Amino acid sequence: EVQLVESGGGLVQSGGSLRLSCAASGFTFGTYEMNWIRQAPGKGLEWVSYVSHSGRAIYYADSVRGRFTISRDNAKNSLYLQMNSLRAEDTAIYFCARDFTGRGVYAFDIWGQGTVVTVSS
Amino acid sequence: HSALTQPASVSGSPGQSITISCTGTSSDVGDYNFVSWYQHHPGKAPKLLIYDVSYRPSGVSNRFSGSKSGNTASLTISGLQAEDEADYYCSSYTSSTTAVFGTGTRVTV
Repeated sequence: EVQLVESGGGLVQSGGSLRLSCAASGFTFGTYEMNWIRQAPGKGLEWVSYVSHSGRAIYYADSVRGRFTISRDNAKNSLYLQMNSLRAEDTAIYFCARDFTGRGVYAFDIWGQGTVVTVSS
Repeated sequence: HSALTQPASVSGSPGQSITISCTGTSSDVGDYNFVSWYQHHPGKAPKLLIYDVSYRPSGVSNRFSGSKSGNTASLTISGLQAEDEADYYCSSYTSSTTAVFGTGTRVTV
C-alpha cells in the first residue's frame, strides 16, 4: 500500500525548534518530488516547501524561508522538515505530500494524515 | 503570491451541478496550465481530483471536471451526491516556482 506517515509534531514554545519526519512506503520514494503543506486551525491549506527527487532543488514559501529546512534521505525513504524560530502562526497540521507528475508542477496525489504542531506564546 | 480566491461556500441539491471558481493572477493561474483541485474531508487526507487544469487521476469519478479561462480556473461537480459535501481547494504553480493554494470552498449538499 502506498503510504506516507508523518511524525514529530508536538507542543513547543515560541522561538523553539521541532523536526518533522515523513516515512514513505509502497512506492519508489527516490523517484518522486516531495512537499510539506500545512493547515492552521480553521484556515485553508498552505504550501510550505518542496524538494526534488535528488534533493538538489528546494523551494520555500516566503512565510518560512530562513527558518525551515526541508531535506530527504532516499536510502531511508524519509522526508524531513527542520523548523526553527517557531512562531504562534506556525501552529498547524503539517502534511507531507507526493508530487506524482515528475514535472515539479505541484500535483499532490498521496498525502499523509498529518502531524500537529502547536507553538505556545 | 497571495492565496487564490475561491467562494467561501457553494451549495446544491442532490443530482444538481455546481461550479467552484478559483481566481488568481497572470503570475500563477493565468500563465500556467498547472492547476489542481483537491477534496478535503476534515480529519482526513486531502484527495487529488484534477491536475493540469482538466485531467483526472485514475480512480476519480468523471463527475468532477476542470477548466480554465484567463486567470480563473473552475471545478464542476455534476450529479451532486451527499458524499461530495467537503472542503475543496484549488492550487497553482507560480512564476516563483512555488505553489499557492486557494482560500477553500465549503460545499454543502
